Amino acid sequence: AQKITQTQPGMFVQEKEAVTLDCTYDTSDPSYGLFWYKQPSSGEMIFLIYQGSYDQQNATEGRYSLNFQKARKSANLVISASQLGDSAMYFCAMREGRRTGANNLFFGTGTRLTVIP
Amino acid sequence: DSGVTQTPKHLITATGQRVTLRCSPRSGDLSVYWYQQSLDQGLQFLIQYYNGEERAKGNILERFSAQQFPDLHSELNLSSLELGDSALYFCASTKAPDTEAFFGQGTRLTVV
Repeated sequence: AQKITQTQPGMFVQEKEAVTLDCTYDTSDPSYGLFWYKQPSSGEMIFLIYQGSYDQQNATEGRYSLNFQKARKSANLVISASQLGDSAMYFCAMREGRRTGANNLFFGTGTRLTVIP
Repeated sequence: DSGVTQTPKHLITATGQRVTLRCSPRSGDLSVYWYQQSLDQGLQFLIQYYNGEERAKGNILERFSAQQFPDLHSELNLSSLELGDSALYFCASTKAPDTEAFFGQGTRLTVV
């Protein structure tokens, strides 16, 4: 089974509007972390936001917030007041607990966001 | 700027050849990870090193190998290259196991 599922290959949003990018995850590990990364056309991977499985509050970083619904195993990214520079690929990723000592990320297939002027 | 440095940025080589990709992690980060991003496979974890020792292996081919040196920089060696190895190779580093990973700008490898 896929550990991270992003069901939206592409999304469009009007400039200054909010947009939600969906992410669901699958793990049996009680300790895990969820991440969102942005990949602009230039190719680099930019860290946006992190949510730990034990965090009680939803994470926020500026215009980014993570809508964490543990029971539904979803970790949707909300971008408020979209800007043209937000046009990029967005990847959801998960790091499972520390039992194995491995801390690598499992990535989803990404969502391409296009902000329309 | 993430603080993670990868060289070279671009590499074009022929099938059957061998190349070495280099990564310098952020200052103080002990863990280095290598990922491959290709159109058909997406972003895949290859291998992780922690303070010079291999910590975890992902979908890394036997033709690929890596190491982390005492100064914590890492190298990914790709040999007997095939057309399908063409991809963007990322290095990432973390300060601690449960913190966010910061990625380098990637090395775009083209095998012709």
